[in-house]
Amino acid sequence: GAVVSQHPSWVICKSGTSVKIECRSLDFQATTMFWYRQFPKQSLMLMATSNEGSKATYEQGVEKDKFLINHASLTLSTLTVTSAHPEDSSFYICSARTGGFGYTFGSGTRLTVV
Amino acid sequence: KNEVEQSPQNLTAQEGEFITINCSYSVGISALHWLQQHPGGGIVSLFMLSSGKKKHGRLIATINIQEKHSSLHITASHPRDSAVYICAVLFGNEKLTFGTGTRLTIIP
Repeated sequence: GAVVSQHPSWVICKSGTSVKIECRSLDFQATTMFWYRQFPKQSLMLMATSNEGSKATYEQGVEKDKFLINHASLTLSTLTVTSAHPEDSSFYICSARTGGFGYTFGSGTRLTVV
Repeated sequence: KNEVEQSPQNLTAQEGEFITINCSYSVGISALHWLQQHPGGGIVSLFMLSSGKKKHGRLIATINIQEKHSSLHITASHPRDSAVYICAVLFGNEKLTFGTGTRLTIIP
């Protein structure tokens, strides 16, 4: 089946640095990728929708200059958390449409900013 | 407003018990997904439903379009079924709307 590979699984970074998270579709072309954030014991919150070759669409309240999304190819979308702060510590996960109404999810990235 | 309600929030059961998790939504949908999230965080898509019933191993998912309701059943539950189960609904061709999840714990 369709698989999305997400890296890294976890990352610890210092406050003020930037972190890049990658999601790759391994056996299909992902024209649309979704990026979510999840706080402990809460559900997924959509941050942005990225489309290959165009600018991402951000949800209300999500800072596009802080969470940079690049979807330069049909198999790769990246989320860069710029100038990370402790409040950015969270679980980030991507998903992609797999055709029809199907979705597949990455394994997630746990970000800790110290 | 497109809403998804899931119940119960938490469920603890003994190994072997029959488990039911419910999901209700507010308006007509294109598809409903049942997802499983393990403690490590990764999410697995269990089922996608537009109508009727689907079965995979010990898992059964049903949907009643008229009543705007879906259920996920687990037969002969096992400790390895312990996870968070999430109902996610696609309204039209928009983004997925997620339920709050059900934290299932199966005790040996």
